[in-house]
Amino acid sequence: GAVVSQHPSRVICKSGTSVKIECRSLDFQATTMFWYRQFPKQSLMLMATSNEGSKATYEQGVEKDKFLINHASLTLSTLTVTSAHPEDSSFYICSARPALLNTEAFFGQGTRLTVV
Amino acid sequence: AQKITQTQPGMFVQEKEAVTLDCTYDTSDPSYGLFWYKQPSSGEMIFLIYQGSYDQQNATEGRYSLNFQKARKSANLVISASQLGDSAMYFCAMREGGRNNDMRFGAGTRLTVKP
Repeated sequence: GAVVSQHPSRVICKSGTSVKIECRSLDFQATTMFWYRQFPKQSLMLMATSNEGSKATYEQGVEKDKFLINHASLTLSTLTVTSAHPEDSSFYICSARPALLNTEAFFGQGTRLTVV
Repeated sequence: AQKITQTQPGMFVQEKEAVTLDCTYDTSDPSYGLFWYKQPSSGEMIFLIYQGSYDQQNATEGRYSLNFQKARKSANLVISASQLGDSAMYFCAMREGGRNNDMRFGAGTRLTVKP
């Protein structure tokens, strides 16, 4: 099946620094990728939709200047958490899928971000 | 706006027995897809089963089956012959057609299989 690779799987950073998370579709092209955030014991909350070659679409309440998304190619989307703070500590997970409706979304392995 | 509801925060089942995880949804779009994912403690999202809104038959995938009741807007997951490895979080999700095809998730149900 299709594979989505997300890197890094874990990252610890200091407050005020920025962290970049990569999401790659390995065997299919993805014009659209999705970024989710998951707090402990909670569900996945959609943060933004990443569109290849255009600006990302952010969900209400998600700061676009805080969470920078770049989808520069059909197989790569990046999420950069800028000026990270401890409250940004969370599990971030991306997904991508081929264009048809009746296919499941393939998820990356997720990134556990800890800001100290 | 679409909405997914999972009313069972936690469920217990005895090994080898069947268990049903509930999911209801709300959408005004006639075209949509319903999904179930399993999330073990490692965090990965494992696809289990899919049901399309126009599918006439309930989906089945091995020990997983989806009890799709369109009029009631429910899409319950049935796991037969539970195994210890089934212990995990289970999420119901929906994707509407005609939009930019994002997927929204329910709150999840933590299933614990007892030996």
